[in-house]
Amino acid sequence: DQQVKQNSPSLSVQEGRISILNCDYTNSMFDYFLWYKKYPAEGPTFLISISSIKDKNEDGRFTVFLNKSAKHLSLHIVPSQPGDSAVYFCAASSGTYKYIFGTGTRLKVLA
Amino acid sequence: SAVISQKPSRDICQRGTSLTIQCQVDSQVTMMFWYRQQPGQSLTLIATANQGSEATYESGFVIDKFPISRPNLTFSTLTVSNMSPEDSSIYLCSATPSGTSGLHEQFFGPGTRLTVL
Repeated sequence: DQQVKQNSPSLSVQEGRISILNCDYTNSMFDYFLWYKKYPAEGPTFLISISSIKDKNEDGRFTVFLNKSAKHLSLHIVPSQPGDSAVYFCAASSGTYKYIFGTGTRLKVLA
Repeated sequence: SAVISQKPSRDICQRGTSLTIQCQVDSQVTMMFWYRQQPGQSLTLIATANQGSEATYESGFVIDKFPISRPNLTFSTLTVSNMSPEDSSIYLCSATPSGTSGLHEQFFGPGTRLTVL
């Protein structure tokens, strides 16, 4: 039972345009959500997070939106840059350090 | 943030053998974890490495197969025992640094890519 789903395994976007990565979850007890970025041969790097008491969190070019009623979150990258090309994982937790990860979306930003 | 290193970075092993993976953090951390990422799959938590006591294992993972040590606040090992090809995965160490404002953010090591023949 996959509690955190990233239904798009890959995404290609032109440089300068917006990248939107989506994540759905099934467990209503999740109260904290995170996005990680992973380059080949490196470990995941924390990108941005959001608590369930918020619906939006912004950090520079990165914004995460949370829709609790739909159990959906998305990561927006504006403008997209070639260096953003990586695998992006969303993760969720329910008040503990235990994360449930999605399977990842490979983003390719085309120059 | 904490810098986490792992040894080895990759290894190819024969079935039936065991491999110990080391994880070193450059600063004291509160919690350390071990994850597995099987090919095409998400990261799955194996266990929480507890300093000075037995690790806490997640459902589906047992100490006999994945013994874990954490002798101090900055170092942990994971052993993959009696390996089979199904154990071929990337194994990642992570930690939550002490004193961080974001209690939930975990920092990951680069991973150890294990191939079992």
